[in-house]
Order: sequence, then C-alpha cells, then structure tokens
Amino acid sequence: KAGVTQTPRYLIKTRGQQVTLSCSPISGHRSVSWYQQTPGQGLQFLFEYFSETQRNKGNFPGRFSGRQFSNSRSEMNVSTLELGDSALYLCASSLAGGRAGNTQYFGPGTRLTVL
Amino acid sequence: EDQVTQSPEALRLQEGESSSLNCSYTVSGLRGLFWYRQDPGKGPEFLFTLYSAGEEKEKERLKATLTKKESFLHITAPKPEDSATYLCAVQAQGGSEKLVFGKGTKLTVNP
Repeated sequence: KAGVTQTPRYLIKTRGQQVTLSCSPISGHRSVSWYQQTPGQGLQFLFEYFSETQRNKGNFPGRFSGRQFSNSRSEMNVSTLELGDSALYLCASSLAGGRAGNTQYFGPGTRLTVL
Repeated sequence: EDQVTQSPEALRLQEGESSSLNCSYTVSGLRGLFWYRQDPGKGPEFLFTLYSAGEEKEKERLKATLTKKESFLHITAPKPEDSATYLCAVQAQGGSEKLVFGKGTKLTVNP
C-alpha cells in the first residue's frame, strides 16, 4: 500500500508570497491532518480535515488555511509569507472514527524556506 | 490544555548500553499515546500505539509501556542504526484526530 505523499518536497519563496502544499493520504484514509515542525517549537498541529470538513484547528493565524477534496486529498495554503513560516510541513492521514486512538501515518514533508 | 513533556532532550549511549526515554503527559481523556521515530529531514515513522495504563508493546529492541501519567520507551542493547529523534504524542477524547507532541528525545548510539 502506498504511503502518504506530499508535493513539492522543497520550496523556496520570498516574504509576501503565497504557497500551496499538497498531500495525498493512504488509500482508504478519510482524515488528513497538517503539522508545522520547527527546531524551536517542535511539531505543532495546524488543522484536520475529515470528509471535506475542517474538524479542528490549531493556534495559527488566518494566513494558514486548507481544504480537502472528495477523494480525501488535501491542500494547505499560506498567504503573505513571513520569515517565521520557514519550517517542515507534515501531512498525516488516518482511518478516523471509533473511540480508540487512530494511528496517524506521516508523509515525508515539504521543506519551506522563506527568504 | 493537553501537554506532553519528554526527557531527556538528548541522550548518548554506547552500542549495547540499554536505557529508557520518558514521556510525561496530561490530557483530558486519553484516546491513545503514540511513539514515533524521526530521522533527519524525514517524516515521523510510527512505532507504537498504547491505549490504557498497564499496556506494553515490543518491537525488536524497543519496548513501550504506559501508566496513567507517563510512558517509557525502553531501548535494549541499542545499535547505531537506532540513532534518531523519538517523539511521543497523545490524542485526546473527542471527535478530532489531533496529536499533541512532545519536543522529542534525540538519541545517539555510538559504535
């Protein structure tokens, strides 16, 4: 079974630009979550999408947004980029549903550098 | 607010020298506690899920245990290829899949 894929793997942008990152979940997984990873803050939750609806959102400004398509693929967008947005952006997918914790499987990440 | 604290931040071991990593957590109803391994520049790789206090899981040289307040990742006779950052995360009760992560323990195993 193919794992979570993310494109592009690397991006270099300048301040003020916007960027769109893409994530394809594992086949059959309906939940997609996004995380930002930086050396200082570690892994921080951005948002989660399930059945094309945002189910939860982390403490990030409105410049960070996302969406999910009917095939469960997801995109996240960051507008008006700032230097502090430089990070590894990770996508994770899971089956979702049920009372027990669902394992999230991570993609390789997109390394975003803002100059 | 759900919180996860991992210790130590960094750990250096000699090959074959066993040790344990700690993950302390506070969460409003635990759905699951997860351990991941992350190599530089890569996404986290899933290791274990633990659901309730007293549960233990093993995989090769790794063994994860869970109490009501913390989890331990025991590494027995580690090898240099076990060098990585080990991440602990919790998932709380509720409808979301959100994971709250600790900052990780960077493990280096010297030959």
